[in-house]
Amino acid sequence: NAGVTQTPKFQVLKTGQSMTLQCAQDMNHEYMSWYRQDPGMGLRLIHYSVGAGITDQGEVPNGYNVSRSTTEDFPLRLLSAAPSQTSVYFCASSYLASAEAFFGQGTRLTVV
Amino acid sequence: SQQGEEDPQALSIQEGENATMNCSYKTSINNLQWYRQNSGRGLVHLILIRSNEREKHSGRLRVTLDTSKKSSSLLITASRAADTASYFCATDGGGADGLTFGKGTHLIIQP
Repeated sequence: NAGVTQTPKFQVLKTGQSMTLQCAQDMNHEYMSWYRQDPGMGLRLIHYSVGAGITDQGEVPNGYNVSRSTTEDFPLRLLSAAPSQTSVYFCASSYLASAEAFFGQGTRLTVV
Repeated sequence: SQQGEEDPQALSIQEGENATMNCSYKTSINNLQWYRQNSGRGLVHLILIRSNEREKHSGRLRVTLDTSKKSSSLLITASRAADTASYFCATDGGGADGLTFGKGTHLIIQP
């Protein structure tokens, strides 16, 4: 039982490049979410999904897209990377939005 | 925007002492949760307390919730070096967007 798996763990991008951060969970959780963590800012919600085919924006969605074609996977796409997107990204899942959240190990992204 | 606000931002104590950190929030909640984050790792759930509960225990952890003051505290008793981590409170306001996290308290346990 792997829990929540994020790939890659580290990534360096040039400004303007695009990439997809992968997130997969094997707990059959309906609710999945993406956060970014910046120094002194805590975790801020980017996008979330309450089930396959349903996604919505969080607090800081600009510059990011998501999709949820299966229960297991919730990829986060950076369309045109900017230095302001340098951060650590966490994916989380839970059986309900209000329940205990299980986090991946994070992706440390640097945009130069 | 952040719902929970932890206090203090940083705390350094000697091993064996108790550590107390606080969380204040602004709007009504269904539950409040505490998480731990070790350096460079993901967050790990510690404990959940519902809005109709006042106190909850789990091993060396004790959480209190005062909904009239919109505040919660996390007490770690008999601290160990392995407790060195950042601790976050997260509130559930009942919306589909799930948990809102505070900025965390960084706890250092001196051996």
